[in-house]
Amino acid sequence: GAVVSQHPSWVICKSGTSVKIECRSLDFQATTMFWYRQFPKQSLMLMATSNEGSKATYEQGVEKDKFLINHASLTLSTLTVTSAHPEDSSFYICSARAGAWGTDTQYFGPGTRLTVL
Amino acid sequence: TQLLEQSPQFLSIQEGENLTVYCNSSSVFSSLQWYRQEPGEGPVLLVTVVTGGEVKKLKRLTFQFGDARKDSSLHITAAQPGDTGLYLCAEWGYSTLTFGKGTMLLVSP
Repeated sequence: GAVVSQHPSWVICKSGTSVKIECRSLDFQATTMFWYRQFPKQSLMLMATSNEGSKATYEQGVEKDKFLINHASLTLSTLTVTSAHPEDSSFYICSARAGAWGTDTQYFGPGTRLTVL
Repeated sequence: TQLLEQSPQFLSIQEGENLTVYCNSSSVFSSLQWYRQEPGEGPVLLVTVVTGGEVKKLKRLTFQFGDARKDSSLHITAAQPGDTGLYLCAEWGYSTLTFGKGTMLLVSP
């Protein structure tokens, strides 16, 4: 099956610093990648959708200047949390979709645990 | 955005017991997916159901999609500790997935 990786798997940073999380599709080209955030004991909430070579589409309530998303290639998307604060501590999960159709399967990465001190 | 309700929110059972978890909506699902997520991991797709009344089986797991495509259930027979995890239903829409809040299942030996 298709594999999606994330790096790092966990990160601890000081308040005010920026953190970059990478999401890679290892054995397929992903035309679309998605970023989700999951707080403890809660479900996944979609943050943004990114298509290779174009600007990401953010969900309502997600600050695009705080959560910078770059999808520069068909196998790599990055999420940068800028000026992180403790309330940004969460589990960030990406997914990748090979096809252009909404009906194509999304494959999820293993997630990145971010802790902001 | 469709609201997906999952029940129960939490379920703790002993190994060997059977259980059913539910996913409901006030609107018709275009199609529905079930995922299992283990702690500290991303969700893993279990099944996709598309047709009303559809039943799919995956070893000890049986998935049903309601005739009206507004509800779905997941039944696990003879649960094992390895079944422990967060079970999420998600509407598989035109471009994005919308997840329910999930059912946390704990199976004790």
